[in-house]
Amino acid sequence: AQKVTQAQTEISVVEKEDVTLDCVYETRDTTYYLFWYKQPPSGELVFLIRRNSFDEQNEISGRYSWNFQKSTSSFNFTITASQVVDSAVYFCALRVTQGGSEKLVFGKGTKLTVNP
Amino acid sequence: EAGVTQFPSHSVIEKGQTVTLRCDPISGHDNLYWYRRVMGKEIKFLLHFVKESKQDESGMPNNRFLAERTGGTYSTLKVQPAELEDSGVYFCASSQEWGNTEAFFGQGTRLTVV
Repeated sequence: AQKVTQAQTEISVVEKEDVTLDCVYETRDTTYYLFWYKQPPSGELVFLIRRNSFDEQNEISGRYSWNFQKSTSSFNFTITASQVVDSAVYFCALRVTQGGSEKLVFGKGTKLTVNP
Repeated sequence: EAGVTQFPSHSVIEKGQTVTLRCDPISGHDNLYWYRRVMGKEIKFLLHFVKESKQDESGMPNNRFLAERTGGTYSTLKVQPAELEDSGVYFCASSQEWGNTEAFFGQGTRLTVV
């Protein structure tokens, strides 16, 4: 099965707290890509990161960091020192390829609310 | 450079009516995708165009949905006749190359069928 699970439906934190969004995936492919997207209140899906299954190094971009662990099929996303502007729905996704086509399989999303 | 643009941003129609959604991808992007998010559920794949050809339409819910991409530029998604369960947010995305590149999404069209 090709599946992404985001067990946390909603998370609420106070500004400056660190928060981790969980993502667990299932895939039968040996090579695959994982993604995180952010959906702010304006509605568009904003690309955050793409990770190749061969690259297990953690990545840091400013206050954002990602922990990819193949052993547990997880690709968790941490926001350090959260800010109100981080409030959004965050989606984890798995790229699936089949017969010359490709698509993203999304989790249900985690709604993050950062309170001042 | 303009991003992926979708029209309209919101649409409210009655059950049984027809609605056409439009997506303008990023210029030069051969790949165009439609996705849909029904309330509280996952964002789900509908179909994938490569230029004007439908590469994969396995996610289309039923024959009330028709997608076109004439000339390989913008795409339309028509729902006829609309049903209540069609309500949701319809996203369009485009990518330059099949494979490694990320897909850029539009802001979505929120469709409400009453």
